[in-house]
Amino acid sequence: QVQLAQSGAEVKKPGASVKVPCKASGYTFTSFYIHWVRQAPGQGLEWMGIINPSDGTTKYAQKFQGRVTMTRDTSTSTVYMELSTLRSEDTAIYYCARGAGSGSFLLYWGQGTLVTVSS
Amino acid sequence: QPVLTQSSSASASLGSSVKLTCTLSSRHSSYIIAWHQQQPGKAPRYLMKVEGSGTYSKGSGVPDRFSGSTSGADRYLTISNLQSEDEADYYCETWDSNSRVFGGGTKLTVL
Repeated sequence: QVQLAQSGAEVKKPGASVKVPCKASGYTFTSFYIHWVRQAPGQGLEWMGIINPSDGTTKYAQKFQGRVTMTRDTSTSTVYMELSTLRSEDTAIYYCARGAGSGSFLLYWGQGTLVTVSS
Repeated sequence: QPVLTQSSSASASLGSSVKLTCTLSSRHSSYIIAWHQQQPGKAPRYLMKVEGSGTYSKGSGVPDRFSGSTSGADRYLTISNLQSEDEADYYCETWDSNSRVFGGGTKLTVL
């Protein structure tokens, strides 16, 4: 069965960076794009961007351009989302999600990684 | 890019039915949307996609009590025979070539 496994939690200081992993299993890793979506405490879902695990190409939401980097490691079927210059407003749960196919809805979700930014 | 509008909250009694609405921006009224359920403290879960024609397709394991429909730019999620476990936040999602968009979410309370 398709699984997207995420790490538990991270605590970072303002100005630091965080790199969140998402390990995929149960399907051919290079066949489906992976998205990153975040959710601040008590707030809704916010799309951050997408990576094609086949060739590493990415597209980022304008809000995060210049601060987010998505990469992949095909040897371990893992996608990474790195967010730099962290501020308190970046405190959120970060989810990876896989689409149903190219240009389609999000079908599978990881369990999320809580990133807390605090001095 | 498309915009999705949802009411912030809804409530209905145990065993009754409720219809949640997701409204697409007028220029994007033909778009497909997806509904996701987020129970308290959990990750979102895909429920179904709803097309402009009104056709809907549910995810694996989604109970028959859940259905979808369309009227113009509105996409609906109807839950019948409400159960306590249906108390959750419900989000709609759509996309175009450059972005992916979520509605603000509807918090459903089962009375």
